Amino acid sequence: DADVTQTPRNRITKTGKRIMLECSQTKGHDRMYWYRQDPGLGLRLIYYSFDVKDINKGEISDGYSVSRQAQAKFSLSLESAIPNQTALYFCATSAAGGQGEQYFGPGTRLTVT
Amino acid sequence: LAKTTQPISMDSYEGQEVNITCSHNNIATNDYITWYQQFPSQGPRFIIQGYKTKVTNEVASLFIPADRKSSTLSLPRVSLSDTAVYYCLPQKAAGNKLTFGGGTRVLVKP
Repeated sequence: DADVTQTPRNRITKTGKRIMLECSQTKGHDRMYWYRQDPGLGLRLIYYSFDVKDINKGEISDGYSVSRQAQAKFSLSLESAIPNQTALYFCATSAAGGQGEQYFGPGTRLTVT
Repeated sequence: LAKTTQPISMDSYEGQEVNITCSHNNIATNDYITWYQQFPSQGPRFIIQGYKTKVTNEVASLFIPADRKSSTLSLPRVSLSDTAVYYCLPQKAAGNKLTFGGGTRVLVKP
């Protein structure tokens, strides 16, 4: 089984709808992250969390919110989706020590029409 | 955060060695250099990390000169499955936030 899972894998939604993307991990890591990737570009950090009680904004947090329900779960919400939020969304986890290697999920392809 | 510059794309053939050089002129003293690999429609995957000189693992080698203003990822004897985008990132030790640039798109041809 995959260490980092994301649901749904694909989603098409309409402008103005609220949508939640979910991430679960079985690696026992404290740190979790949400990124978005636009075609042909690198990943940009949306939010990150170092533990259950810690939430931090990344470089592009406007229009998004997150919830860290448990050590293993970190969800991303779009309160009112807009077309320019159409992108590939990745969740990642890392341990607090070591090389800081991040483990990424398979991604959620979101289309906002 | 240190800004990185790497080639947009590179072509190679199966069995050849691929070297991707990344420049990071303003890298901070406590930054490591980390490389990730990303296949289409998949999340990035950690390849290797180093601070200075040479690091080698089962996948690649990383060369970092003494001034640390650049680094070179070396992929020995590539295969078709090495076709991917490779990202060079400065990273604090056990760092949290990663800043991905555009990466280098490597195409391995038969």
